Amino acid sequence: DVKVTQSSRYLVKRTGEKVFLECVQDMDHENMFWYRQDPGLGLRLIYFSYDVKMKEKGDIPEGYSVSREKKERFSLILESASTNQTSMYLCASSPGQSNSPLHFGNGTRLTVT
Amino acid sequence: QKEVEQDPGPLSVPEGAIVSLNCTYSNSAFQYFMWYRQYSRKGPELLMYTYSSGNKEDGRFTAQVDKSSKYISLFIRDSQPSDSATYLCAMIRMDSSYKLIFGSGTRLLVRP
Repeated sequence: DVKVTQSSRYLVKRTGEKVFLECVQDMDHENMFWYRQDPGLGLRLIYFSYDVKMKEKGDIPEGYSVSREKKERFSLILESASTNQTSMYLCASSPGQSNSPLHFGNGTRLTVT
Repeated sequence: QKEVEQDPGPLSVPEGAIVSLNCTYSNSAFQYFMWYRQYSRKGPELLMYTYSSGNKEDGRFTAQVDKSSKYISLFIRDSQPSDSATYLCAMIRMDSSYKLIFGSGTRLLVRP
């Protein structure tokens, strides 16, 4: 079974802090993704990566950056956290084929106060 | 207009009922279709993955795709309280790589 592990289940940060969300997958998948999930808005793609050191903007990249230094690890960075970034953050991975379904981690619920 | 429409529910049914969950979409380029189940405070879990029109069955779950109507369904037979969750449809366009379009999810409650 694919395992996607997000380092924190719950995180509380203050406005203006730099926040790192970490994600690791153990299936040697080429593609990794960061989504946020909000009630009424569904899942929205923030960034994705199809290879080490490669990244592509998703639908809502503003206020975020990412890092992929190793194939198994994909980090989401909130440069200066704001209250409107309070959300559930979901990491996912998939094999290289473009029609592959995503496998998700259990999410990090981030609260910015 | 959203590319993928899904009724948010909640849908409440008695245990043992047949459940029908549906999504409609507007872009005929969608070719691959998925259903995810998401329990509270957990990530989405892949339930079904289908390509093109027709039915696919897996235990109590049947996924149905009707491309001519741009309509997909997930049927759950003999529903159980453990099926209570949010169900998300998702689909991939052939003209887009590495991007799924998700429905907003339908919350299902199966009453004992």
